[in-house]
Amino acid sequence: GEDVEQSLFLSVREGDSSVINCTYTDSSSTYLYWYKQEPGAGLQLLTYIFSNMDMKQDQRLTVLLNKKDKHLSLRIADTQTGDSAIYFCAETAAGNKLTFGGGTRVLVKP
Amino acid sequence: SQTIHQWPATLVQPVGSPLSLECTVEGTSNPNLYWYRQAAGRGLQLLFYSVGIGQISSEVPQNLSASRPQDRQFILSSKKLLLSDSGFYLCAGRGAEAFFGQGTRLTVV
Repeated sequence: GEDVEQSLFLSVREGDSSVINCTYTDSSSTYLYWYKQEPGAGLQLLTYIFSNMDMKQDQRLTVLLNKKDKHLSLRIADTQTGDSAIYFCAETAAGNKLTFGGGTRVLVKP
Repeated sequence: SQTIHQWPATLVQPVGSPLSLECTVEGTSNPNLYWYRQAAGRGLQLLFYSVGIGQISSEVPQNLSASRPQDRQFILSSKKLLLSDSGFYLCAGRGAEAFFGQGTRLTVV
């Protein structure tokens, strides 16, 4: 079955880069997503990547996909205090499910 | 653009009362639809998903049920709420991209 894993916590200093990692098991994944959840709020789609791509950049966000190792990462450049949140990776595959990792809590220190 | 409307945003219900949460979809046809629950400080647990009208797959045994009476309508229900049903419920849809409602925070007292 599908399984998506993330580390629980990441602490980073303001202005540094953050890298959040995610691994998945389903080799038939088609789309992979990164979502941000601020306290008490819903999920905000940050970016997504199609499985035939290696990299996608969108302003301060860079997504890297290593399909061979089933590894997805999100890099946030020049991390700001407003980036403190929980970040979820998710994947969809031919089986129609949308499976999430457990979330990585990112704390940005001034 | 694809949008999900989910309501209400917050809900406080007594134990044993019924529940009905509804979400509707705009901007796409025949989406896959999902209900997730997020317990406090934890990840997202997939409860139900639907690939079409009347088609519901349940991921975990529980006190809840789901229905899809129309292509763009997905309903989460319970006949009698338990304290453990408290949590943050999210409706999601997927055409090409995956998109979310704003969530319902349910507190069972």
